Amino acid sequence: AQKITQTQPGMFVQEKEAVTLDCTYDTSDPSYGLFWYKQPSSGEMIFLIYQGSYDQQNATEGRYSLNFQKARKSANLVISASQLGDSAMYFCAMRERKSGGSNYKLTFGKGTLLTVNP
Amino acid sequence: NAGVMQNPRHLVRRRGQEARLRCSPMKGHSHVYWYRQLPEEGLKFMVYLQKENIIDESGMPKERFSAEFPKEGPSILRIQQVVRGDSAAYFCASSPGLGGQETQYFGPGTRLLVL
Repeated sequence: AQKITQTQPGMFVQEKEAVTLDCTYDTSDPSYGLFWYKQPSSGEMIFLIYQGSYDQQNATEGRYSLNFQKARKSANLVISASQLGDSAMYFCAMRERKSGGSNYKLTFGKGTLLTVNP
Repeated sequence: NAGVMQNPRHLVRRRGQEARLRCSPMKGHSHVYWYRQLPEEGLKFMVYLQKENIIDESGMPKERFSAEFPKEGPSILRIQQVVRGDSAAYFCASSPGLGGQETQYFGPGTRLLVL
């Protein structure tokens, strides 16, 4: 079973509108973290936002917010006021921390390609 | 404050040659991770290292691949006798090793092409 599922291979949004990129995850670990990264066409991986499993509030970073619904195991990324520079591949990732362990490796979804139209 | 540095950015090898990929973590970071990204795929974990120690290599192919993070100098991912299927983007990430959020910051990647 996939640990991270991103069901939208591609999304289109009009400039200045908001867009939601979906991410669902699967884990039995009570302590985990969820991350979103952006990969523009130039290829680098840019960290956007983090949500811890015990965080009470949804994470926000500027125009990015994470809609964290723990019971549904979803961690959707919301980008407000889209800009042309937001056109990129977006990856959701999870870090599980097994009881007593210190392993911080990330498991990534397959990504969503966002295109912002002028 | 320099980010994670990787070199080379692009590497072309013929089948059977060796590929050496280098990663210098962010200043103050003691944990290094290597990931591989095949075309049209997300990143897949390969190995997690701390200085002079391999902590988790569960994502490394059993043969031809090795990684190290010496006391001095960059982390090295080494691929011996490369094959066409090794063509991919290889990303290095680093984190401070302080626990908690432990965000991993990625380098620009090395694009390996095997002819």
